[in-house]
Amino acid sequence: QKEVEQNSGPLSVPEGAIASLNCTYSDRGSQSFFWYRQYSGKSPELIMFIYSNGDKEDGRFTAQLNKASQYVSLLIRDSQPSDSATYLCAVWMDSSYKLIFGSGTRLLVRP
Amino acid sequence: SQTIHQWPATLVQPVGSPLSLECTVEGTSNPNLYWYRQAAGRGLQLLFYSVGIGQISSEVPQNLSASRPQDRQFILSSKKLLLSDSGFYLCAAASSYEQYFGPGTRLTVT
Repeated sequence: QKEVEQNSGPLSVPEGAIASLNCTYSDRGSQSFFWYRQYSGKSPELIMFIYSNGDKEDGRFTAQLNKASQYVSLLIRDSQPSDSATYLCAVWMDSSYKLIFGSGTRLLVRP
Repeated sequence: SQTIHQWPATLVQPVGSPLSLECTVEGTSNPNLYWYRQAAGRGLQLLFYSVGIGQISSEVPQNLSASRPQDRQFILSSKKLLLSDSGFYLCAAASSYEQYFGPGTRLTVT
């Protein structure tokens, strides 16, 4: 079992819709969770992080964490074509000072 | 806020040639530093990380090495490049749990 799993996609949504990106992780002791956005040919950009169960909102982005289910998600409201990118989920490993990344979900927002 | 510099942005090198990629960080002290590689269309592969000067942890045995001669400088090297070393090399820095990436170096080995 991979430590951090994401559906590779592509996830295709129409402009203005809500895009829902999901991630599961295997280490029940994990405490810190991150979402990165990576445009083609560019480096990953940190867009959200969440440490506590529940929802965290930042503009059009909402991160959701459920530690009991070992599940973290990213919702993008009012999706725009400029949101088309690969979204990487990452989990911090306290024991080794490193992030474990999922393989990413490619999001396509159709105009 | 921290800024991460990487150079060069692109590099084309022949098989068997040496490699040196440099990463420097501004705006923070004593960061954890990381080198990743991303092959075309693939995920991020952690190569090395460092929690302090002279402290290097290797994740994947290969013909690459890393060094951290100063607090905010991280260098990735190879004595002889292989075709399989082609990829997008990313340096990252973290002062807390939040990790930020530099702009990357795209390496093509021919």
